[in-house]
Amino acid sequence: AIQMTQSPSSLSASVGDRVTITCRASQGIGNDLGWYQQKPGKVPKLLIYGASTLQSGVSSRFSGSGSGTDFTLTISSLQPEDFATYYCLQDYKYPISFGPGTKVDIK
Amino acid sequence: EVQLVESGGGLVQPGGSLRLSCAASGFTFSRYPMHWVRQAPGKGLVWVSRIKSDASVTTYADSVRGRFTVSRDNAKNTLYLQMNSLRVEDTAVYYCVRDGLDYGDYAAFDIWGQGTMVTVSS
Repeated sequence: AIQMTQSPSSLSASVGDRVTITCRASQGIGNDLGWYQQKPGKVPKLLIYGASTLQSGVSSRFSGSGSGTDFTLTISSLQPEDFATYYCLQDYKYPISFGPGTKVDIK
Repeated sequence: EVQLVESGGGLVQPGGSLRLSCAASGFTFSRYPMHWVRQAPGKGLVWVSRIKSDASVTTYADSVRGRFTVSRDNAKNTLYLQMNSLRVEDTAVYYCVRDGLDYGDYAAFDIWGQGTMVTVSS
């Protein structure tokens, strides 16, 4: 099974900061990677699929990049509504696997 | 409105069984692959199972294979998860998730239900 890791596991940032979250796959997955945002008590929300394609309706301050084993999610200017936990997900091979999550909270 | 509504969660003893249901509305259910994803209290997301749109193929996480069975009734717009031989570690919120069709070959979990809580405890 493909193992996904994320770093950092948590970070504190201020409104307006540029934030980067990294996701790494235990083997190459092409660009079969998505990013999800989950706020406390809410269901996850699709942000990005195919490593870099923004889901319709998602703010352009979110961007994704990478291929193979290393991927990043970048929030260009952190907004109050962006404080949440972010998960990567690989769909290159079953079983599908999520990363452990990165919690972004307020500094 | 596109919607997924889970039901069937509850408290069950270790070794017991439970069947979850997910009622879909607002879209052509029969066209979409569907998944179950779970989340233990305070923990991360874990993929559980997938079923193709016509139910021809099902896939499971190693941790549930042989104990859980995913199925669907396209005439009733309903997804199911039969859970047998439940363990304490199966305790989680179970989400029913739609795999979108407008994303090329990528899995894109674009619609999520609100989840149903399953607690396995003696």
